[in-house]
Amino acid sequence: DAGVTQSPTHLIKTRGQHVTLRCSPISGHKSVSWYQQVLGQGPQFIFQYYEKEERGRGNFPDRFSARQFPNYSSELNVNALLLGDSALYLCASSYRRTEAFFGQGTRLTVV
Amino acid sequence: KNQVEQSPQSLIILEGKNCTLQCNYTVSPFSNLRWYKQDTGRGPVSLTIMTFSENTKSNGRYTATLDADTKQSSLHITASQLSDSASYICVVSRGSQGNLIFGKGTKLSVKP
Repeated sequence: DAGVTQSPTHLIKTRGQHVTLRCSPISGHKSVSWYQQVLGQGPQFIFQYYEKEERGRGNFPDRFSARQFPNYSSELNVNALLLGDSALYLCASSYRRTEAFFGQGTRLTVV
Repeated sequence: KNQVEQSPQSLIILEGKNCTLQCNYTVSPFSNLRWYKQDTGRGPVSLTIMTFSENTKSNGRYTATLDADTKQSSLHITASQLSDSASYICVVSRGSQGNLIFGKGTKLSVKP
C-alpha cells in the first residue's frame, strides 16, 4: 500500500503569488490534517478535514484555505504568499483518531 | 495553555551510547502521547504511541515512558547508531478530535 503522498516535493514561489499543495491519504483513511513546519521548529497545526468537512483550524490567517475531495485527497491553498510562509508543509492521514501517518512534505520557498 | 516542552534542545552522543530525551506537557484533555523521529527535510515517522493507562512502550531500541500524573514522558534510545541522528518530536493528542500538539523536538547527533 502506498503511504501518504504529497506533491510537489519542492516549490519556489515569489511574494504575492498563490500556491496549491496536494495530498493523497493512505487508502481507507478519511481524515487529513495539514501542518506547517518552519526550520528548527515543530509542526504547527493548520487544518483538519474528516469526511470532506473541516473539523479543526489552527491559528493561521485567512490566506490559508483547504478542502477535501470525495476520494479523501486534499488541497492546501495559500494566497498572497509572504516570505514567512517558507516552510515544510506536512500532510498527515489517519483512520478516525488513531495514529497519524505523515507524508514526506512539500518544501515551499518564497522569494 | 496547551503546550509540549522538550529537553534538551540538542544532544550529541557517541555511537553505541544510550541517551534519554524528555517531554513535559500541559495538554488537556489528554488523549495519547506519541514520539516521532524526523530526518531533516522529511516527514515524521511514528516510533511509539501511548494512552493514559500505558506507562511504557518499546519499539526495538526505543523505549518510551509516560507518567500521566506528572505529565512527563521520556524516550530512551539504547546502543545508539549513526542512523539515529534525527529530530525526535514529542506529540500529545488532545481531546475527542485528536488535535495534535507538537513539541519543538530534540535534535540528536550520533557521532562515530
